[in-house]
Amino acid sequence: GAVVSQHPSRVICKSGTSVKIECRSLDFQATTMFWYRQFPKQSLMLMATSNEGSKATYEQGVEKDKFLINHASLTLSTLTVTSAHPEDSSFYICSARDRDRGIPEAFFGQGTRLTVV
Amino acid sequence: SQQGEEDPQALSIQEGENATMNCSYKTSINNLQWYRQNSGRGLVHLILIRSNEREKHSGRLRVTLDTSKKSSSLLITASRAADTASYFCATTSGGGADGLTFGKGTHLIIQP
Repeated sequence: GAVVSQHPSRVICKSGTSVKIECRSLDFQATTMFWYRQFPKQSLMLMATSNEGSKATYEQGVEKDKFLINHASLTLSTLTVTSAHPEDSSFYICSARDRDRGIPEAFFGQGTRLTVV
Repeated sequence: SQQGEEDPQALSIQEGENATMNCSYKTSINNLQWYRQNSGRGLVHLILIRSNEREKHSGRLRVTLDTSKKSSSLLITASRAADTASYFCATTSGGGADGLTFGKGTHLIIQP
């Protein structure tokens, strides 16, 4: 199946700093990538939809100035958590669909565990 | 927003037994998918069932979909210790540009 690589897998940062998370589709082109957030023992919540070459679409309640998304190419989307605070600590997961295959199956990255201290 | 509700939230069974998880959703859908998540990891796609399908099989997995009741079930037969994970149903109601709406998940533990 298609592979989505997410990096880093784990990061610890200080309050007030920014953290960038990368999501790459390794063997397919992804016009659209998705960013999710997951709190411990909870389900995934869609944060935003990242479209190549255009602005991301954010879900209600997600601060676009805090969670900056850039989708500069068909294989890379980045999520930057700006001025991180302890409440931003969470598990962030990206996913992508294979544009050429045109199927709804989503391929997920391995996730990034963010801890803000 | 979360529209899916998995039932049960946690399930512990003996290896070799069958495990059944249920999922309900609220809005109309194009398809329903089931994913598995091992602790602290990303999600693995298991199976997809389209809104015009009622049942689908894949190896030890069997999925049913009842659109009149807005519910789905995932059956894992002959469970193995490696099946221990969280299982989520997820739905899409639009086209390929839509993100997934996930259920709350069922944490399955297979006792060896």
